[in-house]
Amino acid sequence: AQSVSQHNHHVILSEAASLELGCNYSYGGTVNLFWYVQYPGQHLQLLLKYFSGDPLVKGIKGFEAEFIKSKFSFNLRKPSVQWSDTAEYFCAVNEKLTFGTGTRLTIIP
Amino acid sequence: DAGITQSPRYKITETGRQVTLMCHQTWSHSYMFWYRQDLGHGLRLIYYSAAADITDKGEVPDGYVVSRSKTENFPLTLESATRSQTSVYFCASSDRGRTKNIQYFGAGTRLSVL
Repeated sequence: AQSVSQHNHHVILSEAASLELGCNYSYGGTVNLFWYVQYPGQHLQLLLKYFSGDPLVKGIKGFEAEFIKSKFSFNLRKPSVQWSDTAEYFCAVNEKLTFGTGTRLTIIP
Repeated sequence: DAGITQSPRYKITETGRQVTLMCHQTWSHSYMFWYRQDLGHGLRLIYYSAAADITDKGEVPDGYVVSRSKTENFPLTLESATRSQTSVYFCASSDRGRTKNIQYFGAGTRLSVL
């Protein structure tokens, strides 16, 4: 069975701070990895994805994530956050999307 | 571009009642999914469908029934609602090509079971 862990449940940052949200997965086979974002009152939307190739993937709104196979990790990063990044972030793996429990990100202006 | 729509957006029902949540997509995507979102659990897969008339259980299928007679529709039925089924329900779809793993989500249905 596959599983996804997001250890940061709630992260609070000031604008312009750097962001890193952790995601670790448990799955022995080939993985497809995703980060989804849910802005307040909205539905989930894809932030970025990794299928194969370059382990550093870039997504929308300046986000990026790095796939480190040896660590079973796919951490999300952004060098300088904005107030509009306040949202809940979900890491997910594979076709049926096993989700992590999510990380709530609050940006203080 | 209507995309994927869920109805109703909000529903209040009583324990023991049958409730059907609707999901409709206009992309002709082969795959459709139902998730529930609960605090502390993130999103959990209830059922999914790879094509019309093909459905399969996800992580938390108990108490739910699905059908897929047409590609564009994937209704979720709670046969006898329980308080533990109070949740936000999301429908999603994806296609079979290179992008098949990217799922597109509806706006969700907030269900309260009293």
